[in-house]
Amino acid sequence: GAGVSQSPSNKVTEKGKDVELRCDPISGHTALYWYRQSLGQGLEFLIYFQGNSAPDKSGLPSDRFSAERTGGSVSTLTIQRTQQEDSAVYLCASSSRRGQETQYFGPGTRLLVL
Amino acid sequence: GDSVTQMEGPVTLSEEAFLTINCTYTATGYPSLFWYVQYPGEGLQLLLKATKADDKGSNKGFEATYRKETTSFHLEKGSVQVSDSAVYFCALVYNQGGKLIFGQGTELSVKP
Repeated sequence: GAGVSQSPSNKVTEKGKDVELRCDPISGHTALYWYRQSLGQGLEFLIYFQGNSAPDKSGLPSDRFSAERTGGSVSTLTIQRTQQEDSAVYLCASSSRRGQETQYFGPGTRLLVL
Repeated sequence: GDSVTQMEGPVTLSEEAFLTINCTYTATGYPSLFWYVQYPGEGLQLLLKATKADDKGSNKGFEATYRKETTSFHLEKGSVQVSDSAVYFCALVYNQGGKLIFGQGTELSVKP
């Protein structure tokens, strides 16, 4: 079956521009997570969605970052007024439910802010 | 707060050597523990997991045992191959929380 997919695979943008990153989770998975992988900070949690519950936004680094999940499936991570320190690989994962279930990761979106 | 600490890399081994990558954690409760692997140019893949104390996770010749008394989850393999060259991440998750807390990753390079 299909895994987690993300688009675009690569994104180059200029400082100050807004970007949208998309994630398609595994069909039927109710939990969806965003992480960021950067050289200086390793793998960091950003936000997660579980069903119809309010998302856990505790990992978002600033109010320039936001995410939504429409219809309990596809998710979009938006970064407004991008900064060079936002350059990283943004990873999406999904699992069948919250908690200790295995999270399956997508290939990531590599974002470069010039 | 909760955290995961892995041994520093890179680790360079010859083929067929024994591998240990140390992982220790700090947690207020009883998390599940995971090893994820990232092969060059690929995404994160689950390697193995253990959900309670004394459980042993195993996959592809790798093993790790959940040691509550030492708060450790060391990864071992008896005989590494060149194809095992990758970055290995130790991580924990709580049933209530859902988010994975990762160690910093350990790069393994296996030479023929």
